[in-house]
Amino acid sequence: DVKVTQSSRYLVKRTGEKVFLECVQDMDHENMFWYRQDPGLGLRLIYFSYDVKMKEKGDIPEGYSVSREKKERFSLILESASTNQTSMYLCASRTGTMNTGELFFGEGSRLTVL
Amino acid sequence: AQKVTQAQTEISVVEKEDVTLDCVYETRDTTYYLFWYKQPPSGELVFLIRRNSFDEQNEISGRYSWNFQKSTSSFNFTITASQVVDSAVYFCALSGLNNAGNMLTFGGGTRLMVKP
Repeated sequence: DVKVTQSSRYLVKRTGEKVFLECVQDMDHENMFWYRQDPGLGLRLIYFSYDVKMKEKGDIPEGYSVSREKKERFSLILESASTNQTSMYLCASRTGTMNTGELFFGEGSRLTVL
Repeated sequence: AQKVTQAQTEISVVEKEDVTLDCVYETRDTTYYLFWYKQPPSGELVFLIRRNSFDEQNEISGRYSWNFQKSTSSFNFTITASQVVDSAVYFCALSGLNNAGNMLTFGGGTRLMVKP
């Protein structure tokens, strides 16, 4: 069974803390994505990666960075968490170079910044 | 720029009713793909269907059916004889074939509540 695993389902952090969200996929997919989900706004793309050590900004990259040192792992980093980054974060992966394949999602990481 | 609009933020029905979730999209691409995903309470989005812009045939899969109309830029999703297990948030999404950035654009989602 294909799997995208996110390290933490729930996190509570304080303003200014550095936050790491980890995502691992076991499908040997080239493409990995980080989305943020907020009520009424749907999913918005933060960053994506199409290969190891490669990354591209999505719609809302400000305040975030990413790391992809290995093909199976894609990390989202909040250098200094702020309350407006309280949200659900979803990791996804997809095979291939075209935009036609389905995305496989993890279960999400709900982050609360106090 | 691409845009997907799901005007219904929340729908509540009683079990066995039919329900249609609306999706309207905007794109300048001539070739594009449309998707529906389901997000149950567990949180993990599950792929339901993909449609390319050249295939306007409606699709039926069990109790689910999809109506793609290019003329109105709509890709609506109907659940027939709804069940409690259909309760979830449903997302419509759009991807252009030549979309720089490899991005999928999602609508705001529709929360469907099916009551027994």
